[in-house]
Amino acid sequence: AQSVTQLDSHVSVSEGTPVLLRCNYSSSYSPSLFWYVQHPNKGLQLLLKYTSAATLVKGINGFEAEFKKSETSFHLTKPSAHMSDAAEYFCVVSDLWGKLTFGQGTILTVHP
Amino acid sequence: SQTIHQWPATLVQPVGSPLSLECTVEGTSNPNLYWYRQAAGRGLQLLFYSVGIGQISSEVPQNLSASRPQDRQFILSSKKLLLSDSGFYLCAWKPSGGNTDTQYFGPGTRLTVL
Repeated sequence: AQSVTQLDSHVSVSEGTPVLLRCNYSSSYSPSLFWYVQHPNKGLQLLLKYTSAATLVKGINGFEAEFKKSETSFHLTKPSAHMSDAAEYFCVVSDLWGKLTFGQGTILTVHP
Repeated sequence: SQTIHQWPATLVQPVGSPLSLECTVEGTSNPNLYWYRQAAGRGLQLLFYSVGIGQISSEVPQNLSASRPQDRQFILSSKKLLLSDSGFYLCAWKPSGGNTDTQYFGPGTRLTVL
């Protein structure tokens, strides 16, 4: 069985400051991990993906995430928040058959 | 390139009425197809997935059903809607086989049951 825990339901930052969205996972094997972003009333867009290659994964829009097996974490970061980053973010783990398990989501608010 | 479409974009239906949501994928063949529901304030829940025409797997028992009448068409249905069926329904696709497990999502359908 696999599970995903997003440690913060809401994160609020000021524009231009760093973003940290936290995610912990559990899996019986080496998982694939994803971060998706969802803007209001829109579908999900893939930000980045980890699949056992480099542990530091770079995604779109300046986001990156680091896979830490010892901590079972896959936190999402961005050095400088932009107003357009305001959205809901989902950490996702995939099992060997491609079945996805989603975290509960973190709503990111960016203040001017 | 591949694209995924869902319609309608929004839907308001009375309790007890039927439902039909459609999802189609273009630019690929024999995709794996998925239906998810996102209820207010909750994460995504996998409802159904399909690995081929006529092949449907249900993840959660409920009053919804799914069908795949054509290779790139996935339909979510209900005979009688419940209030609890309200939510945001997302369709997704993934290339079958190969070594990719990335799913690509459609724009979603917002369903409100009154």
